[in-house]
Amino acid sequence: DTAVSQTPKYLVTQMGNDKSIKCEQNLGHDTMYWYKQDSKKFLKIMFSYNNKELIINETVPNRFSPKSPDKAHLNLHINSLELGDSAVYFCASSQSAGAEAFFGQGTRLTVV
Amino acid sequence: GDSVTQMEGPVTLSEEAFLTINCTYTATGYPSLFWYVQYPGEGLQLLLKATKADDKGSNKGFEATYRKETTSFHLEKGSVQVSDSAVYFCALNLISSGSARQLTFGSGTQLTVLP
Repeated sequence: DTAVSQTPKYLVTQMGNDKSIKCEQNLGHDTMYWYKQDSKKFLKIMFSYNNKELIINETVPNRFSPKSPDKAHLNLHINSLELGDSAVYFCASSQSAGAEAFFGQGTRLTVV
Repeated sequence: GDSVTQMEGPVTLSEEAFLTINCTYTATGYPSLFWYVQYPGEGLQLLLKATKADDKGSNKGFEATYRKETTSFHLEKGSVQVSDSAVYFCALNLISSGSARQLTFGSGTQLTVLP
């Protein structure tokens, strides 16, 4: 049973499109995150939710909008996709903010 | 501000060689420190952690000791295997804006072990 699962695993789309990535965790954790990993493997936090409440919102274009319908889900919606959005996006969860995190398998987004 | 500086790669070793990947941090408080590993095509997995000074984390033959005096958390393994080839990330948890803690990662070190 996968602890943190995100879908889709691969996403290829054209510039200007809108897309969503879904994430679910079955660990009973209170905190969920979205990270972006660039081509050089650098990881940057984008958002963090604790009990459905946004607690970290790093400098990210407002084309990116997270939504947490409940504690176990954190989705990422991206409007008007740009070439520079191509990256691997990781969802993660932890028992509390800043505790050890469990990561999903990643979504490789390619914007063409 | 709080940050993690990690040894740049890539690192290439022969099987059974000794591995050290350096990690130093700056922090205003007393963070917990972590090493994560990312195998090709996968997400990050926690390798080991230490929550206070002088703690030693260990797992799968890897070790790291939380050194407050040198603000370091170097990863070591006495004899690497081909299966250890992966990207290794040092991380700490730090206070973000509004008192929320978050994990902050180093830049990652690609390790390749040759047979």
